[in-house]
Amino acid sequence: LAKTTQPISMDSYEGQEVNITCSHNNIATNDYITWYQQFPSQGPRFIIQGYKTKVTNEVASLFIPADRKSSTLSLPRVSLSDTAVYYCLVGDGGNTGGFKTIFGAGTRLFVKA
Amino acid sequence: NAGVTQTPKFQVLKTGQSMTLQCAQDMNHEYMSWYRQDPGMGLRLIHYSVGAGITDQGEVPNGYNVSRSTTEDFPLRLLSAAPSQTSVYFCASSPRQGASYGYTFGSGTRLTVV
Repeated sequence: LAKTTQPISMDSYEGQEVNITCSHNNIATNDYITWYQQFPSQGPRFIIQGYKTKVTNEVASLFIPADRKSSTLSLPRVSLSDTAVYYCLVGDGGNTGGFKTIFGAGTRLFVKA
Repeated sequence: NAGVTQTPKFQVLKTGQSMTLQCAQDMNHEYMSWYRQDPGMGLRLIHYSVGAGITDQGEVPNGYNVSRSTTEDFPLRLLSAAPSQTSVYFCASSPRQGASYGYTFGSGTRLTVV
């Protein structure tokens, strides 16, 4: 299982771009990188997923360098409602038996007015 | 489309009592799993299932049992509740086994064992 390392917390101000980096040095060839967002008292919510290079959707962008040993979640122009915990997950496409999805402690993002 | 439904939302148990946390999904997802989240912590995997009739242990399975008799339901049983099991429990599902498929989470069950 690929272990991930993220900053414990980050602060930002409204309107700024926030970049959260996740390290996954032992990522396997068939592993995908997925980010989730969790608000207090709610379950995590899927934000974005990628395998390599760059992925963009209406919520965020995900940058993955060629060696795939890290990834960066980019949130453009954050608002107060983006205050949440963000989890980086690395796992395979289900080709191995006994697959387990492991969440780390996540990054607590606090957006200030 | 209800997604993943967990019941109850809140529960208080006495030490030694048993109970079942319910989880149901209406998306015909093959993969379902249970996590617990302690205050200020990430999620830890308890048990998971890759299809009806198939279950396996996660990181912290002790004290919990699961079964998967149908695709839709994946109940989590606490055999003899202990204060260490005080936590928020989340059920999740995905179309297939594997992290390349996004997980849908329920809203959680907040359990207190006194």
